[in-house]
Amino acid sequence: GENVEQHPSTLSVQEGDSAVIKCTYSDSASNYFPWYKQELGKRPQLIIDIRSNVGEKKDQRIAVTLNKTAKHFSLHITETQPEDSAVYFCASYNTDKLIFGTGTRLQVFP
Amino acid sequence: NAGVTQTPKFRILKIGQSMTLQCTQDMNHNYMYWYRQDPGMGLKLIYYSVGAGITDKGEVPNGYNVSRSTTEDFPLRLELAAPSQTSVYFCASSYAVLSTDTQYFGPGTRLTVL
Repeated sequence: GENVEQHPSTLSVQEGDSAVIKCTYSDSASNYFPWYKQELGKRPQLIIDIRSNVGEKKDQRIAVTLNKTAKHFSLHITETQPEDSAVYFCASYNTDKLIFGTGTRLQVFP
Repeated sequence: NAGVTQTPKFRILKIGQSMTLQCTQDMNHNYMYWYRQDPGMGLKLIYYSVGAGITDKGEVPNGYNVSRSTTEDFPLRLELAAPSQTSVYFCASSYAVLSTDTQYFGPGTRLTVL
């Protein structure tokens, strides 16, 4: 079955710097890749997603890139702010279900 | 719309007890999912349903059962609680995975088995 690996597990950045989180997937048939943000004690919430017919998608300070050949996709956050601190999960769609990565804890220091 | 609601918010069970975690959505979504999230870990899919009367196993179904008699409700049953089932349980729903709605999560149920 599908396997999703996510790196790094923790990431600390200074406010205003950029943050990049990477994920790889195993099933070349996967064609939908969302990213979720989970604040402490809260539910995961979708922040951005990308489909396999698109190489890049941007929404203000957040962007996602997809490399289908290499089977990896990345989340880019620019001009980080303290409120970006959270756990971020990538996911890959495979046969009616999402398979999640293990998460990246992002800490943004003022 | 209330979205996805879950009850209870917290529960402590003794080993061997049974319980049902309730999940309801009022968005007329076809797809519903149950995940567990262990401390500091990602989300593992327990069971999912693509419509009323249809359920399927996810990555970690052992020790759980589900039913989907209506579009709105997707309860998760633990028959013989074990300490390994201590976790936070999230229910989620979507109209269809590939729609722009994607998955909406409920607030979670924190379960402790002692």
